[in-house]
Amino acid sequence: DAGITQSPRHKVTETGTPVTLRCHQTENHRYMYWYRQDPGHGLRLIHYSYGVKDTDKGEVSDGYSVSRSKTEDFLLTLESATSSQTSVYFCAITGSTANYGYTFGSGTRLTVV
Amino acid sequence: DAKTTQPNSMESNEEEPVHLPCNHSTISGTDYIHWYRQLPSQGPEYVIHGLTSNVNNRMASLAIAEDRKSSTLILHRATLRDAAVYYCILPTAGGTSYGKLTFGQGTILTVHP
Repeated sequence: DAGITQSPRHKVTETGTPVTLRCHQTENHRYMYWYRQDPGHGLRLIHYSYGVKDTDKGEVSDGYSVSRSKTEDFLLTLESATSSQTSVYFCAITGSTANYGYTFGSGTRLTVV
Repeated sequence: DAKTTQPNSMESNEEEPVHLPCNHSTISGTDYIHWYRQLPSQGPEYVIHGLTSNVNNRMASLAIAEDRKSSTLILHRATLRDAAVYYCILPTAGGTSYGKLTFGQGTILTVHP
């Protein structure tokens, strides 16, 4: 039913390589977010977007960049992957906090070796 | 950002009601109260949200105190599938940081058969 899909679902990559994760939505929602989840830390915000080409940093943005060239796609890039970026990454979307809940993707499990 | 306080864990028996409390004493007049849950190995899932009035949907009910400094998520008849981490969150309300979700540790709900 999702309205939001993340790809890939799983990825193993080597230290130092660039990696791009994709979040795709079919809801035409304005707001999109990237979170990472690690044991003992819960979900932490990496970057977010409040419109096409409008993005900003979250609390753990170092080593990550994002792009949003169209409403439906929000890309997260690890410029040079490190082992500390091994994590589960979740994308979320919403239209507004008043009228909508947030919908989360199924997550991407990234392992950096 | 308005912060929330939840008990670390709660237990319930199957088919009994569960009341999950949340304190948000610094809530502002425009902050919506959102609840999410995360089942093991899955992304967070929207449960319910509200502003002032109590809210009901097919999953749960949300009871909001008159002064809005606390709220309670009510699962009317717990099932084993309701075992999850429950998060009470107040999304940021303003400007370009609109809608950021700050996840705390949540409440781990255990449901006994």
